[in-house]
Amino acid sequence: RKEVEQDPGPFNVPEGATVAFNCTYSNSASQSFFWYRQDCRKEPKLLMSVYSSGNEDGRFTAQLNRASQYISLLIRDSKLSDSATYLCVVTGGATNKLIFGTGTLLAVQP
Amino acid sequence: DGGITQSPKYLFRKEGQNVTLSCEQNLNHDAMYWYRQDPGQGLRLIYYSQIVNDFQKGDIAEGYSVSREKKESFPLTVTSAQKNPTAFYLCASSTLTEMNTEAFFGQGTRLTVV
Repeated sequence: RKEVEQDPGPFNVPEGATVAFNCTYSNSASQSFFWYRQDCRKEPKLLMSVYSSGNEDGRFTAQLNRASQYISLLIRDSKLSDSATYLCVVTGGATNKLIFGTGTLLAVQP
Repeated sequence: DGGITQSPKYLFRKEGQNVTLSCEQNLNHDAMYWYRQDPGQGLRLIYYSQIVNDFQKGDIAEGYSVSREKKESFPLTVTSAQKNPTAFYLCASSTLTEMNTEAFFGQGTRLTVV
């Protein structure tokens, strides 16, 4: 089983739609969680950290469910500019190394 | 400005040659990482280091080597033993001392075997 798993997509959604991504992780000792965005042929950039209480940044909401070992990202009112690959990242445990999911490709259609 | 710098941005290698990719950070981060990304694929961990003079293999270390002689620098050598080295290589760094601190990435190096 992979340490971090994501649905690779692609998710094709119309503008204005709400889309949700999930990411599961296998190490219950994981401590930190993030969502990154990667545009084509560019480096990943932090979209938002994920806190136990959940957090929101404009149209984006991230949540953590430790009991079920998954994190989620909700994007409301999708824009064309949201088209990208979204990577979930988990860190912590014995080695504290960063583990990336394979990413979920989002394509927002006009 | 603080940040993480990779060089070169593009690199061409002949078959059988070793090449070294540079990664430097001035963020005072303890941890540094090398990832490989193939077209349409996610990031796969090659090597990582959490302290000077120490590093660990990731999931795809075969055909690669690293060193961590200074906290700021974590160069990656792609050796001739790496059979399919054409890929996008990303270096990242992060702190180990705080919760929920992000990893910063360099702009990446595109390596092509010619």
